[in-house]
Amino acid sequence: DAGITQSPRHKVTETGTPVTLRCHQTENHRYMYWYRQDPGHGLRLIHYSYGVKDTDKGEVSDGYSVSRSKTEDFLLTLESATSSQTSVYFCAISTYPGQGRETQYFGPGTRLLVL
Amino acid sequence: SQKIEQNSEALNIQEGKTATLTCNYTNYSPAYLQWYRQDPGRGPVFLLLIRENEKEKRKERLKVTFDTTLKQSLFHITASQPADSATYLCARSSGTYKYIFGTGTRLKVLA
Repeated sequence: DAGITQSPRHKVTETGTPVTLRCHQTENHRYMYWYRQDPGHGLRLIHYSYGVKDTDKGEVSDGYSVSRSKTEDFLLTLESATSSQTSVYFCAISTYPGQGRETQYFGPGTRLLVL
Repeated sequence: SQKIEQNSEALNIQEGKTATLTCNYTNYSPAYLQWYRQDPGRGPVFLLLIRENEKEKRKERLKVTFDTTLKQSLFHITASQPADSATYLCARSSGTYKYIFGTGTRLKVLA
């Protein structure tokens, strides 16, 4: 499982409140990702990071920000949560980037409910 | 835009039969395609990667094919077992170190 943990695993919050999800890895991988998974949409990339303080947007980045101050931690923040951000959030790392044998390893997920 | 399409309908098959799942992509061929398994309440787990120049890849009871003419990958599970029941996701590379996933196909193997 590449030593990936996510916290919290479950969260219920109210519309308009800020929420931060944490992804922690123990194997020093350079590339980290945040996805959301919704019925009918599959996994969609929110943001990803290719190094400390190096991040870029994915296809559904509006309303989300990320930070990576240490190799092992990648934080996803919902500045002002909305009901449309109710989802399951997965963190992932990528091994062997750019070598044609990439593999993504996923964390256990965080279930977020915004009321 | 690049897309990955998988049959969203569930696939039910009898134990012992071969399950075949389809992944279609649009636009240019990706350098490779990946297949993942996802069980309820868990994150996806990597199964196989097949490169553009490979026709077929095997791993135990799993076989993946890549047809750049049809823009399609097929994922086969031979001698299927109830424990193979899960959702299977296809993913393609998209630009630099990014990936696009299909919505997945739910497989149920009936005992």
